[in-house]
Amino acid sequence: LAKTTQPISMDSYEGQEVNITCSHNNIATNDYITWYQQFPSQGPRFIIQGYKTKVTNEVASLFIPADRKSSTLSLPRVSLSDTAVYYCLVGDTDNAGNNRKLIWGLGTSLAVNP
Amino acid sequence: NAGVTQTPKFRILKIGQSMTLQCTQDMNHNYMYWYRQDPGMGLKLIYYSVGAGITDKGEVPNGYNVSRSTTEDFPLRLELAAPSQTSVYFCASSYGQRGGLETQYFGPGTRLLVL
Repeated sequence: LAKTTQPISMDSYEGQEVNITCSHNNIATNDYITWYQQFPSQGPRFIIQGYKTKVTNEVASLFIPADRKSSTLSLPRVSLSDTAVYYCLVGDTDNAGNNRKLIWGLGTSLAVNP
Repeated sequence: NAGVTQTPKFRILKIGQSMTLQCTQDMNHNYMYWYRQDPGMGLKLIYYSVGAGITDKGEVPNGYNVSRSTTEDFPLRLELAAPSQTSVYFCASSYGQRGGLETQYFGPGTRLLVL
């Protein structure tokens, strides 16, 4: 069964680049890796998704090595408004490709300081 | 579009009472999900649906029931509320082209307290 591991918390300062890594040793072969952001008292919000190598959008980059056993969310030049919890999400199936599950990480609480 | 809406926003239940958490989406999404999030913890999938008339258990289905009679609605039923069900409940929806790993759109959540 796939399992994800993320740091519990991280601290940063405004203007710095922040990298959050998620380990997912048993990710399903065909599955994508997705990252979400959650502010207090709100539902999670999609940030970025990738399958391999590097993906970039207007808010973040996602780096995925060839073995796909981990992924790193990169937030360039963070601001106070980036203070939130960040989750990685991967999929998993049994050996027969059945019983598909969505595996959410426990989240990384990012605090951006002035 | 309103996106995903949930009602109520907050509810206090006594042990043994029942209630239904409502969830509606107006994006014509095939997939819908119910999650619970305990304080300081990640999301745990309770039930999900890949289309009207089709539902399946997630990671923590015990104590809950769901139905999906329309594409838009996916209510979650608690039959005999227990203190362990105190949590924040999120409903989400997605197109389903990647089996849940495509973008999921979340509602604002329902905060439930069972005393």
